[in-house]
Amino acid sequence: QVTLRESGPALVKPTQTLTLTCTFSGFSLSTSGMCVSWIRQPPGKALEWLARIDWDDDKYYSTSLKTRLTISKDTSKNQVVLTMTNMDPVDTATYYCARMEYGPSSSWFDPWGQGTLVTVSS
Amino acid sequence: SSELTQDPAVSVALGQTVRITCQGDSLRSYYASWYQQKPGQAPVLVIYGKNNRPSGIPDRFSGSSSGNTASLTITGAQAEDEADYYCNSRDSSGTNRVFGGGTKLTVL
Repeated sequence: QVTLRESGPALVKPTQTLTLTCTFSGFSLSTSGMCVSWIRQPPGKALEWLARIDWDDDKYYSTSLKTRLTISKDTSKNQVVLTMTNMDPVDTATYYCARMEYGPSSSWFDPWGQGTLVTVSS
Repeated sequence: SSELTQDPAVSVALGQTVRITCQGDSLRSYYASWYQQKPGQAPVLVIYGKNNRPSGIPDRFSGSSSGNTASLTITGAQAEDEADYYCNSRDSSGTNRVFGGGTKLTVL
């Protein structure tokens, strides 16, 4: 059974750096084809894809947030870490991690973690 | 603005068929995946690839694609299908991913 769980601070101050950890089980990020993505959702708004890290350590970032995001993995701990710098109240959202898989001309996120709500406020 | 466009809201009578659409240039060459999200819950994958359902997803959910439009069809909508639905595909870069703005489905 594949599971993912997000962890990190519930509250951060403006200008601070957010560090979130995704701890997963049931698969290995050292296996060819495996990827993990981060996705966020501001309250009452749509999902927004943030970043992805692949089994071969390739990394991809949202164009609009690229300068603020860093994604990394610790294969031995089955963890993926996302850092976001210079946090602002508009970054208040539930942050999800999800396993990403590939198929012919397709990719998908399954399963998702339960999400962690991060509030940015002074 | 999202590279994938969805109608903000759709309604369907109980037991009837509803189609939720997603438009975007990337869909001409890449399939969409579809996610159901109920209030307070994480999204759940319902359709991926050409028309594949994960284990546990009822067969009343199906997917299709034509040109720049992907569709999620629910045949015989149930009360428990009332939720937000999001499509996802790759963006114009080909490497990043993008979500549609979501469609709120109401079952009347």
